[in-house]
Amino acid sequence: DVQMTQSPYNLAASPGESVSINCKASKSISKYLAWYQQKPGKANKLLIYDGSTLQSGIPSRFSGSGSGTDFTLTIRSLEPEDFGLYYCQQHNEYPYTFGAGTKLELK
Amino acid sequence: QVQLQQSGAELVKPGSSVKMSCKASGYTFTSYYIYWIKQRPGQGLEWIGRIGPGSGDTNYNEKFKGKATFTVDKSSSTAYMQLSSLTPEDTAVYYCARATVFDYWGQGVMVTVSS
Repeated sequence: DVQMTQSPYNLAASPGESVSINCKASKSISKYLAWYQQKPGKANKLLIYDGSTLQSGIPSRFSGSGSGTDFTLTIRSLEPEDFGLYYCQQHNEYPYTFGAGTKLELK
Repeated sequence: QVQLQQSGAELVKPGSSVKMSCKASGYTFTSYYIYWIKQRPGQGLEWIGRIGPGSGDTNYNEKFKGKATFTVDKSSSTAYMQLSSLTPEDTAVYYCARATVFDYWGQGVMVTVSS
């Protein structure tokens, strides 16, 4: 199985700041990396797929980059609603696997 | 709008089985695979497998073969997952989600396995 190593585990930031979350695959997954946001009481939300494609309806302050084994999710100018859990997931081969998650907290 | 409505929370005894549902609306049910994902309390996400509602074909994570069984009812646009021989390690929230990248998710079903 492809192991997904996500970092950092915790991240504290203030509204208006920019943050980056990293995800490293144990083998090449080409461009096939997705990012999700998870918040209590809300359905999980797809943010980015295929490494850098912004899902419809997601604000442009979210962006994804990378290919092969190394990927980054960047959130520019954090809004209060951006705080929560973020997961990466490879969708290159079965079984699809997820990173352990990054908790983005208000500083 | 696309919605995946899952069934309610379950409290079940060790050794028993549970069957949960995921009712799709707002799109052509047979056009997208339904995926199932497990999240243990305070833990990350695990991909259980998928079913194609049109064809009925399935793919299971090796880890969940023999544990999970997927079915669909096309007449009601509903996907089902049955979990068998439940143990406390099966205590988790189970999500259904649409498509190869999970663009829509259900709200999750909390399954608690306890005597």
